Amino acid sequence: GAGVSQSPRYKVAKRGQDVALRCDPISGHVSLFWYQQALGQGPEFLTYFQNEAQLDKSGLPSDRFFAERPEGSVSTLKIQRTQQEDSAVYLCASARDILNQPQHFGDGTRLSIL
Amino acid sequence: DQQVKQNSPSLSVQEGRISILNCDYTNSMFDYFLWYKKYPAEGPTFLISISSIKDKNEDGRFTVFLNKSAKHLSLHIVPSQPGDSAVYFCAAPTNSGYALNFGKGTSLLVTP
Repeated sequence: GAGVSQSPRYKVAKRGQDVALRCDPISGHVSLFWYQQALGQGPEFLTYFQNEAQLDKSGLPSDRFFAERPEGSVSTLKIQRTQQEDSAVYLCASARDILNQPQHFGDGTRLSIL
Repeated sequence: DQQVKQNSPSLSVQEGRISILNCDYTNSMFDYFLWYKKYPAEGPTFLISISSIKDKNEDGRFTVFLNKSAKHLSLHIVPSQPGDSAVYFCAAPTNSGYALNFGKGTSLLVTP
Protein backbone atom coordinates (compact mmCIF):
# COMPACT_ATOMS: atom_id res chain seq x y z
CA GLY A 1 0.00 0.00 0.00
CA ALA A 2 0.89 3.64 -0.23
CA GLY A 3 0.89 4.43 3.47
CA VAL A 4 2.47 3.18 6.69
CA SER A 5 0.91 -0.12 7.68
CA GLN A 6 0.80 -1.44 11.24
CA SER A 7 -0.32 -4.80 12.55
CA PRO A 8 -2.15 -5.94 14.48
CA ARG A 9 -4.59 -3.06 14.82
CA TYR A 10 -5.65 -4.31 18.25
CA LYS A 11 -3.82 -6.52 20.69
CA VAL A 12 -5.01 -7.78 24.04
CA ALA A 13 -2.51 -9.54 26.28
CA LYS A 14 -2.34 -10.69 29.85
CA ARG A 15 0.09 -9.01 32.17
CA GLY A 16 3.45 -10.73 31.93
CA GLN A 17 3.10 -11.84 28.32
CA ASP A 18 5.41 -10.70 25.54
CA VAL A 19 4.00 -8.84 22.52
CA ALA A 20 5.37 -7.89 19.10
CA LEU A 21 4.06 -5.02 17.03
CA ARG A 22 4.87 -4.69 13.34
CA CYS A 23 5.37 -1.65 11.14
CA ASP A 24 5.67 -1.53 7.35
CA PRO A 25 6.86 1.97 6.42
CA ILE A 26 6.27 3.71 3.13
CA SER A 27 8.47 2.07 0.53
CA GLY A 28 11.85 3.73 0.23
CA HIS A 29 11.52 5.80 3.38
CA VAL A 30 14.84 5.99 5.17
CA SER A 31 13.64 7.08 8.60
CA LEU A 32 11.32 5.17 10.90
CA PHE A 33 9.95 6.22 14.27
CA TRP A 34 7.93 4.63 17.06
CA TYR A 35 5.69 6.69 19.32
CA GLN A 36 3.46 5.80 22.27
CA GLN A 37 0.15 7.60 22.73
CA ALA A 38 -1.73 7.39 26.00
CA LEU A 39 -5.39 8.32 26.19
CA GLY A 40 -5.92 12.06 26.00
CA GLN A 41 -2.26 12.78 25.30
CA GLY A 42 -0.17 13.51 22.26
CA PRO A 43 2.19 10.88 20.87
CA GLU A 44 5.48 10.52 22.73
CA PHE A 45 8.70 9.54 21.01
CA LEU A 46 10.13 6.09 21.70
CA THR A 47 12.85 5.36 19.17
CA TYR A 48 14.28 6.27 15.76
CA PHE A 49 15.89 4.28 12.95
CA GLN A 50 17.81 5.52 9.97
CA ASN A 51 17.78 2.56 7.61
CA GLU A 52 18.73 -0.41 9.82
CA ALA A 53 20.59 1.67 12.41
CA GLN A 54 18.81 2.52 15.64
CA LEU A 55 20.16 6.01 16.24
CA ASP A 56 18.07 6.96 19.23
CA LYS A 57 16.27 4.82 21.76
CA SER A 58 16.14 7.41 24.51
CA GLY A 59 12.34 7.36 24.69
CA LEU A 60 11.97 3.67 25.43
CA PRO A 61 10.42 3.52 28.93
CA SER A 62 12.37 0.52 30.17
CA ASP A 63 14.60 -2.32 29.08
CA ARG A 64 11.46 -4.39 28.53
CA PHE A 65 11.00 -2.44 25.29
CA PHE A 66 13.06 -3.44 22.29
CA ALA A 67 12.85 -2.36 18.65
CA GLU A 68 14.57 -3.59 15.53
CA ARG A 69 14.66 -2.90 11.80
CA PRO A 70 17.11 -5.52 10.56
CA GLU A 71 16.87 -4.90 6.80
CA GLY A 72 16.08 -1.22 6.88
CA SER A 73 12.40 -1.58 6.00
CA VAL A 74 9.97 -3.45 8.29
CA SER A 75 10.33 -2.75 12.00
CA THR A 76 9.14 -4.63 15.06
CA LEU A 77 8.57 -3.19 18.52
CA LYS A 78 8.70 -5.87 21.18
CA ILE A 79 7.54 -5.50 24.75
CA GLN A 80 8.54 -8.19 27.20
CA ARG A 81 6.73 -9.05 30.45
CA THR A 82 3.98 -6.55 29.71
CA GLN A 83 2.49 -4.44 32.49
CA GLN A 84 -0.80 -2.58 32.70
CA GLU A 85 0.90 0.78 32.21
CA ASP A 86 2.04 -0.41 28.79
CA SER A 87 -1.56 -0.11 27.59
CA ALA A 88 -1.56 2.59 24.90
CA VAL A 89 -1.67 3.14 21.17
CA TYR A 90 1.68 2.50 19.54
CA LEU A 91 2.23 4.58 16.42
CA CYS A 92 4.82 4.04 13.74
CA ALA A 93 5.88 6.83 11.39
CA SER A 94 8.26 7.04 8.46
CA ALA A 95 9.95 9.89 6.65
CA ARG A 96 11.49 10.03 3.20
CA ASP A 97 14.95 11.11 4.14
CA ILE A 98 17.21 12.15 6.95
CA LEU A 99 15.64 15.60 7.06
CA ASN A 100 12.81 13.66 8.64
CA GLN A 101 9.86 15.98 8.19
CA PRO A 102 7.04 15.56 7.69
CA GLN A 103 6.60 12.19 9.29
CA HIS A 104 3.80 10.01 7.95
CA PHE A 105 1.97 7.91 10.53
CA GLY A 106 0.29 4.55 10.46
CA ASP A 107 -3.06 3.95 12.15
CA GLY A 108 -1.39 2.45 15.19
CA THR A 109 -1.74 -0.67 17.31
CA ARG A 110 -4.01 -0.35 20.32
CA LEU A 111 -2.48 -2.49 23.05
CA SER A 112 -4.52 -3.46 26.09
CA ILE A 113 -2.89 -5.30 28.98
CA LEU A 114 -5.28 -7.10 31.30
CA ASP B 1 8.11 18.62 30.80
CA GLN B 2 5.64 19.68 28.11
CA GLN B 3 7.52 21.83 25.60
CA VAL B 4 4.54 22.15 23.24
CA LYS B 5 1.28 23.17 24.83
CA GLN B 6 -2.25 23.23 23.51
CA ASN B 7 -4.26 24.72 26.32
CA SER B 8 -7.71 24.32 24.80
CA PRO B 9 -8.81 20.69 24.91
CA SER B 10 -11.83 21.37 22.73
CA LEU B 11 -13.37 23.89 20.38
CA SER B 12 -16.80 24.09 18.76
CA VAL B 13 -17.39 26.19 15.64
CA GLN B 14 -20.29 26.59 13.24
CA GLU B 15 -19.89 25.47 9.67
CA GLY B 16 -18.63 28.29 7.47
CA ARG B 17 -17.01 30.21 10.32
CA ILE B 18 -13.33 30.45 11.15
CA SER B 19 -11.68 27.91 13.45
CA ILE B 20 -8.59 29.10 15.34
CA LEU B 21 -6.48 26.53 17.13
CA ASN B 22 -3.65 27.74 19.33
CA CYS B 23 -0.32 26.32 20.35
CA ASP B 24 2.44 27.62 22.63
CA TYR B 25 5.98 26.35 23.00
CA THR B 26 8.70 26.87 25.54
CA ASN B 27 11.87 25.89 23.69
CA SER B 28 13.24 28.88 21.77
CA MET B 29 15.46 26.51 19.77
CA PHE B 30 12.47 25.07 17.92
CA ASP B 31 12.67 26.23 14.31
CA TYR B 32 10.04 24.15 12.54
CA PHE B 33 6.46 23.41 13.44
CA LEU B 34 3.85 21.01 12.12
CA TRP B 35 0.13 20.54 12.50
CA TYR B 36 -1.41 17.10 12.34
CA LYS B 37 -5.06 16.14 12.12
CA LYS B 38 -6.34 12.92 13.66
CA TYR B 39 -9.64 11.13 13.19
CA PRO B 40 -10.72 8.45 15.70
CA ALA B 41 -8.99 5.09 15.25
CA GLU B 42 -6.64 6.54 12.63
CA GLY B 43 -3.09 7.80 12.80
CA PRO B 44 -2.22 11.51 12.69
CA THR B 45 -2.20 12.97 9.18
CA PHE B 46 0.19 15.78 8.30
CA LEU B 47 -1.68 18.98 7.54
CA ILE B 48 0.65 21.95 7.25
CA SER B 49 4.00 23.15 8.51
CA ILE B 50 5.94 26.36 8.99
CA SER B 51 9.59 27.21 9.30
CA SER B 52 10.74 29.82 11.78
CA ILE B 53 12.03 31.99 8.94
CA LYS B 54 8.41 32.66 8.02
CA ASP B 55 5.53 34.07 9.99
CA LYS B 56 2.76 32.67 7.81
CA ASN B 57 2.13 29.67 5.61
CA GLU B 58 -1.06 29.08 3.69
CA ASP B 59 -2.47 25.98 2.01
CA GLY B 60 -6.02 26.28 0.77
CA ARG B 61 -8.37 26.74 3.70
CA PHE B 62 -5.55 26.24 6.20
CA THR B 63 -3.16 28.95 7.37
CA VAL B 64 -0.57 28.72 10.10
CA PHE B 65 0.76 31.85 11.80
CA LEU B 66 3.95 31.93 13.83
CA ASN B 67 4.83 34.58 16.43
CA LYS B 68 8.36 33.78 17.51
CA SER B 69 8.63 36.51 20.12
CA ALA B 70 5.54 35.16 21.87
CA LYS B 71 6.49 31.52 21.17
CA HIS B 72 3.01 31.05 19.81
CA LEU B 73 1.49 29.60 16.69
CA SER B 74 -2.04 29.25 15.49
CA LEU B 75 -3.88 27.27 12.83
CA HIS B 76 -6.75 29.02 11.05
CA ILE B 77 -9.32 27.05 9.09
CA VAL B 78 -11.56 29.16 6.85
CA PRO B 79 -14.29 28.28 6.12
CA SER B 80 -14.73 25.43 8.57
CA GLN B 81 -16.49 22.30 7.32
CA PRO B 82 -18.05 19.38 9.24
CA GLY B 83 -15.33 17.09 7.82
CA ASP B 84 -12.76 19.19 9.69
CA SER B 85 -14.06 17.77 12.96
CA ALA B 86 -11.04 15.94 14.39
CA VAL B 87 -8.27 16.28 16.95
CA TYR B 88 -5.53 18.68 15.89
CA PHE B 89 -1.99 18.30 17.20
CA CYS B 90 0.75 20.89 17.14
CA ALA B 91 4.27 19.44 17.00
CA ALA B 92 7.88 20.54 16.79
CA PRO B 93 11.06 18.53 16.23
CA THR B 94 13.33 18.36 19.25
CA ASN B 95 16.86 19.69 19.08
CA SER B 96 17.86 16.34 17.61
CA GLY B 97 15.91 17.29 14.51
CA TYR B 98 13.80 14.19 14.26
CA ALA B 99 11.77 13.23 17.34
CA LEU B 100 8.55 15.21 17.36
CA ASN B 101 7.28 16.91 20.51
CA PHE B 102 3.50 16.92 20.40
CA GLY B 103 0.95 18.97 22.28
CA LYS B 104 -1.99 17.19 23.90
CA GLY B 105 -4.27 18.12 21.04
CA THR B 106 -7.42 20.17 20.56
CA SER B 107 -10.65 18.45 19.59
CA LEU B 108 -12.47 20.53 16.99
CA LEU B 109 -16.18 20.05 16.37
CA VAL B 110 -17.68 21.82 13.38
CA THR B 111 -21.45 21.88 13.60
CA PRO B 112 -23.77 22.25 10.59
